[in-house]
Order: sequence, then structure tokens, then C-alpha cells
Amino acid sequence: AQTVTQSQPEMSVQEAETVTLSCTYDTSESDYYLFWYKQPPSRQMILVIRQEAYKQQNATENRFSVNFQKAAKSFSLKISDSQLGDAAMYFCAYRSAFWGDMRFGAGTRLTVKP
Amino acid sequence: DAGVTQSPTHLIKTRGQQVTLRCSPKSGHDTVSWYQQALGQGPQFIFQYYEEEERQRGNFPDRFSGHQFPNYSSELNVNALLLGDSALYLCASKLLSGSWTGELFFGEGSRLTVL
Repeated sequence: AQTVTQSQPEMSVQEAETVTLSCTYDTSESDYYLFWYKQPPSRQMILVIRQEAYKQQNATENRFSVNFQKAAKSFSLKISDSQLGDAAMYFCAYRSAFWGDMRFGAGTRLTVKP
Repeated sequence: DAGVTQSPTHLIKTRGQQVTLRCSPKSGHDTVSWYQQALGQGPQFIFQYYEEEERQRGNFPDRFSGHQFPNYSSELNVNALLLGDSALYLCASKLLSGSWTGELFFGEGSRLTVL
């Protein structure tokens, strides 16, 4: 079974600085998707960034980028120029290419200090 | 473009009671999944509905059941509530066919408290 591990329960970053959130996963599949979702206090899960396993190039969305290491089964999220609005729970998630359900890590609570 | 909507947003039940949660998927989406998120944890997959049938199920007892209607909306039913069923229940939708990015779109959830 696929598992997702986030080893950092909490992280803190100064406003305008850079922070990296870690995620590792375990799978025997070759075709899958990886995601980072943000969950603010409003509770709604919001997609931050997505990576297809067959793509070697790391995904980037504005201030958010990932470091995808397929062989190491690692998928970290880098947030540059951190803003107060980035404060939230961040969940790493995995899903198989087609029918699979989405598997989530336990989450990392990110605090942004002004 | 309407996103995923869930109702009710909050509810309180007592042990042994039954609860029904409702979800309307994002416009154009045909697949609905339900997740349970206990406090301080990541969401756990309950089941997924497509074409009004349960297609996949996570490790949840039969007390958890669901339904999908012809308009793609869905219900989650939980019978014989236990204290441990207290959680945020998230509904997520996607379009199974066509341009598929793997992404799920989530609602804001229904917060269930069992006393």
C-alpha cells in the first residue's frame, strides 16, 4: 500500500524568507501523481502544486516549487518569499494514475512570523 | 463556476445516532470521494462514487455508507455513531474522463461532533 510521510509536524519561517517542507512516499507503481495541498483555518483544501511522476522537470507555481526525486521517493515543497497568507497546514498527497484514491501525509503546520 | 459544496457545515450528534452529510460536486465533475479528517491528522479515504456506484472503499466499517444521485451529488451516511467518528468530513470531486490532471477539488467539509 502507498504511504506518505511528512516528518515535520511544525515549521516556522520569517516573512520574505524561504522554507522547505519535506515529504517522502512509498510505492511500487511507476505512474502516479504527487500533490501539495494547503489547508487554512477555513478548512478547505486548496491545491498548491502538482507533479506527474513521468515528468523529470520539477513543477513550479509562482513562489512555490518542488524538488521531486523519484528514485529517492522524495517530494519536497519550497516556498520562496514567504507571506503571512502562507500560514496553514500543508499536506503532501499521492495518487495512482487512474482509479486510485488520494493518500495524505499527516501534515506540516507552517507558521509565518512578521 | 460553483465549487464543491457541503452541508451541513457543523453538526452535533450523540452516540448511537445516525447522520447524513451531503455534497454537490464542482460543476462538470462526475466522481465524488469522501474523506474523514480527524483533528490534527491528514484526510483518510472513505469511498469513491462514480456512475452512482461505489467504485473504491478505504478501511472503514459498514456503518459508513454512501449514495450518488443522477445529478452526481452524493450523501455520506454513518450509522450507530461512536465518539471516534468525531471529525471533519471532506467531499472531493473530479472529472473521471477527458482532460484529467489527477487533482481533486475539495469542499469546506462538515464538522461532526459526537457526544
